[in-house]
Amino acid sequence: NAGVMQNPRHLVRRRGQEARLRCSPMKGHSHVYWYRQLPEEGLKFMVYLQKENIIDESGMPKERFSAEFPKEGPSILRIQQVVRGDSAAYFCASSPAPGSSYEQYFGPGTRLTVT
Amino acid sequence: GENVEQHPSTLSVQEGDSAVIKCTYSDSASNYFPWYKQELGKGPQLIIDIRSNVGEKKDQRIAVTLNKTAKHFSLHITETQPEDSAVYFCALLGSARQLTFGSGTQLTVLP
Repeated sequence: NAGVMQNPRHLVRRRGQEARLRCSPMKGHSHVYWYRQLPEEGLKFMVYLQKENIIDESGMPKERFSAEFPKEGPSILRIQQVVRGDSAAYFCASSPAPGSSYEQYFGPGTRLTVT
Repeated sequence: GENVEQHPSTLSVQEGDSAVIKCTYSDSASNYFPWYKQELGKGPQLIIDIRSNVGEKKDQRIAVTLNKTAKHFSLHITETQPEDSAVYFCALLGSARQLTFGSGTQLTVLP
């Protein structure tokens, strides 16, 4: 009974490169959320997706960041032209469809370091 | 938007004592309040949650209380053990299903 899976667990990128973070939700979950955790801080909501649809991206930076959850395969959080301030832990959570449960279960995170 | 304040930021207790962490919020529309435990280098783990139609919920050594009128909720851990040492986050669910988190409490249980 696998939980939420994220890869890679650690990612090092130089300034200006692209970062791609992947998330596979728990079995039976159709909704995915991305959160960012800066050092010594709490988690901040970024984006909420279901298959082939972005529900809410109010927490996403306006530039360089994008997310998708295709019909097949994992959800992807993409950061273009990374800067040092993008260094953080990025967590994905998943939940069942609305109406059945409120719980969100988190993956182990991807720790992005921009050098 | 929603705002959650969490206190204290650090808490040290002797093994076997109780620990209490409190959170206050501003959005009266919230109706789901989870608590997460995060160990170093790991993702947040859901440990207990409460919905607005109840005032208290207990699961073994962990309990959560909710006062919707006063807009605050608390986590209670009894008979603390060294493995309870971690960062604890309160959160609430917004209308768009996003979680808003408190700033976290570093709990240290001293043997």
